[in-house]
Amino acid sequence: QQQVKQSPQSLIVQKGGIPIINCAYENTAFDYFPWYQQFPGKGPALLIAIRPDVSEKKEGRFTISFNKSAKQFSLHIMDSQPGDSATYFCAASMDSNYQLIWGAGTKLIIKP
Amino acid sequence: DVKVTQSSRYLVKRTGEKVFLECVQDMDHENMFWYRQDPGLGLRLIYFSYDVKMKEKGDIPEGYSVSREKKERFSLILESASTNQTSMYLCASSLSEYGYTFGSGTRLTVV
Repeated sequence: QQQVKQSPQSLIVQKGGIPIINCAYENTAFDYFPWYQQFPGKGPALLIAIRPDVSEKKEGRFTISFNKSAKQFSLHIMDSQPGDSATYFCAASMDSNYQLIWGAGTKLIIKP
Repeated sequence: DVKVTQSSRYLVKRTGEKVFLECVQDMDHENMFWYRQDPGLGLRLIYFSYDVKMKEKGDIPEGYSVSREKKERFSLILESASTNQTSMYLCASSLSEYGYTFGSGTRLTVV
C-alpha cells in the first residue's frame, strides 16, 4: 500500500512532442505528489508538485494532472526539447510523515 | 540556495574495507536522508535522520550504519564493503517533505 508505481520505465519522444509519464498509488492518505528531474551526474531536483485538492498544476511547459478517484497522477511536458532529456521520478507522502515514497523512475530521451 | 555537498564524486574501495561517505548541508535542515540508486530500481532509502543523534532505518539498512553528531553532517558507513554495495549513493536534506535537496551523488565501486 506504500508503493508508487511509475510507468513507462523509458520513453523516447521526438522534439516538440508531449511525453507523458504516469504514476499510480494505493494509499489514500498520501496528500503531496512531487515530481523530480535528474540529469546525468546530478542528484534529483524538485520540478513541480501537486496537492489532491486540485486536478491540474502548470509550471512553464510542465503540467501535473491528478485524478483522485483513480489514484493516479501524471506529468506532461509540452513542446519537449532535447534539454528535457533526463530521468523523472514521481513521489508521494503524507502530512504526518516526512518521508517521500518514490516511483522507480522514467528515463526520457527527446530526439532532436 | 540550499547546498548539499557529498565529499567524494567517485570512490573505489576493496571488499571488506570500512567506507565512510560524508554529506554536509548548509541550510539548517532538520531532516537528512541517504539513498542508493541502481538502474531499474529507482531510489531506495537506506537511513534517515530527523534530528541530531537520531536515526531511523529505511528500506535497505542491512550492511550500513549512519552517524549524525552535528545537524549539518550526516555520514553513511559501510561496515565491511561488499561488491553488491557498488552503487550511486545520494544524500538529501529537507525541512519537510516539501522539497528535498539532493547532493550530486557518490559513485562507489567495491572491487
